[in-house]
Amino acid sequence: DVKVTQSSRYLVKRTGEKVFLECVQDMDHENMFWYRQDPGLGLRLIYFSYDVKMKEKGDIPEGYSVSREKKERFSLILESASTNQTSMYLCASSDRTGIEETQYFGPGTRLLVL
Amino acid sequence: GENVEQHPSTLSVQEGDSAVIKCTYSDSASNYFPWYKQELGKRPQLIIDIRSNVGEKKDQRIAVTLNKTAKHFSLHITETQPEDSAVYFCAASIGGSQGNLIFGKGTKLSVKP
Repeated sequence: DVKVTQSSRYLVKRTGEKVFLECVQDMDHENMFWYRQDPGLGLRLIYFSYDVKMKEKGDIPEGYSVSREKKERFSLILESASTNQTSMYLCASSDRTGIEETQYFGPGTRLLVL
Repeated sequence: GENVEQHPSTLSVQEGDSAVIKCTYSDSASNYFPWYKQELGKRPQLIIDIRSNVGEKKDQRIAVTLNKTAKHFSLHITETQPEDSAVYFCAASIGGSQGNLIFGKGTKLSVKP
């Protein structure tokens, strides 16, 4: 079974704080993704990575950055948290070597920025 | 850019009835179409998927149909049960990408006992 874990289920931060969200997968997947999920807006892609040290902007990268120093770990960074970044953040991973493109999701981190 | 439209946004059915959720996509190069179920407070989980070389796929009470010409695909749930209540997301692969998906906005399905 694919296992994708996220460092926190719930986080409360202050405006202006630097926030780190960690995601780890144990299936040796090349691809990793960060989404945010808001009611009525579905899943929106923030950043993705196809390999170590590689990162690409998704649809809504503003205010975020990412880091992928190891294959199994993909971090999302909010440089200076703002209230409009209050959301559910979901990490996902997928295998790129075969035809399998299924993305497997972590449990999510619900972030509240005050 | 690429887009996936999903309808309806909410769906309420009586237990035992069927439920149908429809999605249309814009990228003619899309060739992989997964469906995810997200129960309240839980992660999205894959329930069924279909590739563009297949028109229909079934797994017990759920089935997915794909019409590549019309660029739409549908999820069918028969004999619905209260535990089918959840938000369902469709997705389509982005042609030329290495595994990116674009998601619909979700359908909240409520099954009333």
